[in-house]
Amino acid sequence: QLQLQESGPGLVKPSETLSLTCTVSGGIITASTYYWGWIRQPPGKGLEWIGSISYSGSTHHNPSLNSRVTLSVDTSKNQFSLKLTSTTAADTAVYYCARHYTAYEAFDYWGQGTLVTVSS
Amino acid sequence: QSVLTQPPSASGTPGQSVSISCSGSSSNIGLYTVNWYQQLPGTAPKLLIYSNDQRPWGVPDRFSGSKSGTSASLAISGLQSEDEADYYCAAWDDSLTGHWVFGGGTKLTVL
Repeated sequence: QLQLQESGPGLVKPSETLSLTCTVSGGIITASTYYWGWIRQPPGKGLEWIGSISYSGSTHHNPSLNSRVTLSVDTSKNQFSLKLTSTTAADTAVYYCARHYTAYEAFDYWGQGTLVTVSS
Repeated sequence: QSVLTQPPSASGTPGQSVSISCSGSSSNIGLYTVNWYQQLPGTAPKLLIYSNDQRPWGVPDRFSGSKSGTSASLAISGLQSEDEADYYCAAWDDSLTGHWVFGGGTKLTVL
């Protein structure tokens, strides 16, 4: 059974960089039929797609986040990562990593999510 | 303000049928398929419907989806207490560089 697990600091200071890693187990990250994505959910609010990356490093990201987002993939560790720069309190959210299955054109597996609070 | 518009709430009694709408535009639902996600309290979203009307393995056939033009709907028949959750629609949007967009979510209450 495929599992995704987010990891990273739960507290980030304003203006600093938020860094998260998603570890994929029970499956390989290098299949061409998948993209690997990040979605966030501010407390009490809806879902917002941050960006997605393929195993080869091809990326798409939400234009609303401009150039603050960097996505990367480490196939040797079966992991992919998110960096979000210049954080503010508005970036406080539960961050989910998820698998985008191209045959479905949908996110079919999700991590449990990790709360990141941006506060001094 | 979400790109896709959903009613904030819906409700029904056990055994009833309910429907949740999702309204978009020609740059998203009008061009691409719609997915629906169910988020039980305190948990991660779960894929419920993909490609407008397809159910992943394990999703009961009480859940069904449809799409017409720039709108989509999720229907739940034989409502059960465990269906109480938030439901989100999603689609790819062609505007700007292209990106996934979600509805604001509908909280379903089983009375």
